[in-house]
Amino acid sequence: GAVVSQHPSRVICKSGTSVKIECRSLDFQATTMFWYRQFPKKSLMLMATSNEGSKATYEQGVEKDKFLINHASLTLSTLTVTSAHPEDSSFYICSASVPATDTQYFGPGTRLTVL
Amino acid sequence: GNSVTQMEGPVTLSEEAFLTINCTYTATGYPSLFWYVQYPGEGLQLLLKATKADDKGSNKGFEATYRKETTSFHLEKGSVQVSDSAVYFCALSDSLNTGGFKTIFGAGTRLFVKA
Repeated sequence: GAVVSQHPSRVICKSGTSVKIECRSLDFQATTMFWYRQFPKKSLMLMATSNEGSKATYEQGVEKDKFLINHASLTLSTLTVTSAHPEDSSFYICSASVPATDTQYFGPGTRLTVL
Repeated sequence: GNSVTQMEGPVTLSEEAFLTINCTYTATGYPSLFWYVQYPGEGLQLLLKATKADDKGSNKGFEATYRKETTSFHLEKGSVQVSDSAVYFCALSDSLNTGGFKTIFGAGTRLFVKA
């Protein structure tokens, strides 16, 4: 199946700094990528839909100035957590859709810890 | 809106026991249905999918049948192994205004298999 990578897999940062997470589709072009947040022992919460060449669509309650998404190419989307705080600590997962299908392939996730 | 409801866990079974995890959905139209699995510390992997009524998805001994009349997609496995211990997410595809799809997840069911 299709492969999606995320980098980094783990990151620890100080409160107030910004962190960038990359999501890449390795063997297919993805016009649409998705960013999720997962709290411990909880389901995935969709944060935003990232569309190549246009602005991301954020879900209700997600601060777009806090979580900056850029989808500059058909194989790369980035999520930047700006001015991170301890409550932003979480597991962030991206996924990418194979064009013209309804199946998403998920990255391995990035665990963010804000001290 | 579209939604997915799955049985609460955790589910604890002995090795070689029969597994059923119930999943029901609410949707307009005819979405595709999925089961994803998340092993400890990892991202999500697509386990199986079904795209239309009466389709049966199967993989690694797991099966689920798309039942339109009962709006269900229950996951089953005849004989579980310790290595099947994970969190299982039922999901459906939901169309986007852009023509693509996003995925709506159930809450997840944690499975523990004892040796």
